[in-house]
Amino acid sequence: QKEVEQDPGPLSVPEGAIVSLNCTYSNSAFQYFMWYRQYSRKGPELLMYTYSSGNKEDGRFTAQVDKSSKYISLFIRDSQPSDSATYLCAMMIQGAQKLVFGQGTRLTINP
Amino acid sequence: EPEVTQTPSHQVTQMGQEVILRCVPISNHLYFYWYRQILGQKVEFLVSFYNNEISEKSEIFDDQFSVERPDGSNFTLKIRSTKLEDSAMYFCASSELSGHLGGYTFGSGTRLTVV
Repeated sequence: QKEVEQDPGPLSVPEGAIVSLNCTYSNSAFQYFMWYRQYSRKGPELLMYTYSSGNKEDGRFTAQVDKSSKYISLFIRDSQPSDSATYLCAMMIQGAQKLVFGQGTRLTINP
Repeated sequence: EPEVTQTPSHQVTQMGQEVILRCVPISNHLYFYWYRQILGQKVEFLVSFYNNEISEKSEIFDDQFSVERPDGSNFTLKIRSTKLEDSAMYFCASSELSGHLGGYTFGSGTRLTVV
């Protein structure tokens, strides 16, 4: 079983839709969860960071963590064409330095 | 906004040659990292560096790889004898605190092509 699993998509939705992106993980030692956005031929850009179960909101973005189910989500409200990118989930064990990434989901928002 | 700068953006090298990838982390950051992304695959951790020494490395980071902070601003990744399978995007990253305390900032990457 892969440590972090993420559906690579592609996912295509109309502008204004709510987008739901998800990752599952197998290692219960993961304590820190992040979502990165990556545009083509660019480095990952940190969107959201959380370390506890529950929801964290930042503007149109909401990160959700369910440690009991080993499942994390990113919701994008009122999606815009500029949100079109690859979204990567990433996780880290406390005290470690290594980020473990998911495969990334390629998202396209159609005007 | 401060950013991590990587040079060159694209490097082509012949198999067996040494290559040095360069990074300028954000100036007040203390932790430095290299990751790579083979085309179509996940971003993978290579190495972390803190207080002038390697703090963690992956199984990918074998004796062919080395890192150095030669001065107060640069952070380099050297591949001693490149192989075809080293072709990938290499990302440098840095963080002010230990990475688990807030994530880190990535550079735009160096695309390495080994021919």
